[in-house]
Amino acid sequence: AQSVTQLDSQVPVFEEAPVELRCNYSSSVSVYLFWYVQYPNQGLQLLLKYLSGSTLVESINGFEAEFNKSQTSFHLRKPSVHISDTAEYFCAVRNSGNTGKLIFGQGTTLQVKP
Amino acid sequence: NAGVTQTPKFQVLKTGQSMTLQCAQDMNHEYMSWYRQDPGMGLRLIHYSVGAGITDQGEVPNGYNVSRSTTEDFPLRLLSAAPSQTSVYFCASSRGDVEKLFFGSGTQLSVL
Repeated sequence: AQSVTQLDSQVPVFEEAPVELRCNYSSSVSVYLFWYVQYPNQGLQLLLKYLSGSTLVESINGFEAEFNKSQTSFHLRKPSVHISDTAEYFCAVRNSGNTGKLIFGQGTTLQVKP
Repeated sequence: NAGVTQTPKFQVLKTGQSMTLQCAQDMNHEYMSWYRQDPGMGLRLIHYSVGAGITDQGEVPNGYNVSRSTTEDFPLRLLSAAPSQTSVYFCASSRGDVEKLFFGSGTQLSVL
């Protein structure tokens, strides 16, 4: 069965500092991986996804994530965060054989302090 | 485009009551799903559908039923509400299997 673990429930960081939000998955088959973001009082939005090819994927607002098959990880990074990045971030996985079944992690709250 | 529309936005039920959460999308998406969001537990998949007439169970299906008679609609039925079903429920749809999910605005359900 597929599952996702986000190792940190909260990550406090100062503005302009780098950040890494950790995500590990469990699956016996190939996977598709996603990061979604939920800003306060809003719905979830897709941040980036890995389907195949280059293991490093980027979003338009400076986040990047790297698929590491040997570590079964898909950590999200940003070299310099802004106050506006304060949100809850969710990692999600779908096994290649489970069409339509997208499983989310527990979420990590990123708190950016001035 | 309205996108994904969920009704109602808020609901209070008594234990044992039944109700249906409505979800409709106007984007002709084949894939639809229901999640519940609880603090510290992220989003958990209840049921999902890959097309009209096809549904399957997610991670936490017990106590919930779904049907998909049309592409547009994917209602979620609570058969006999329990306090453990107090949660925020989100309906989502996507054009393709690995395409981004479009989420509804959510239904906040309290079961007393």
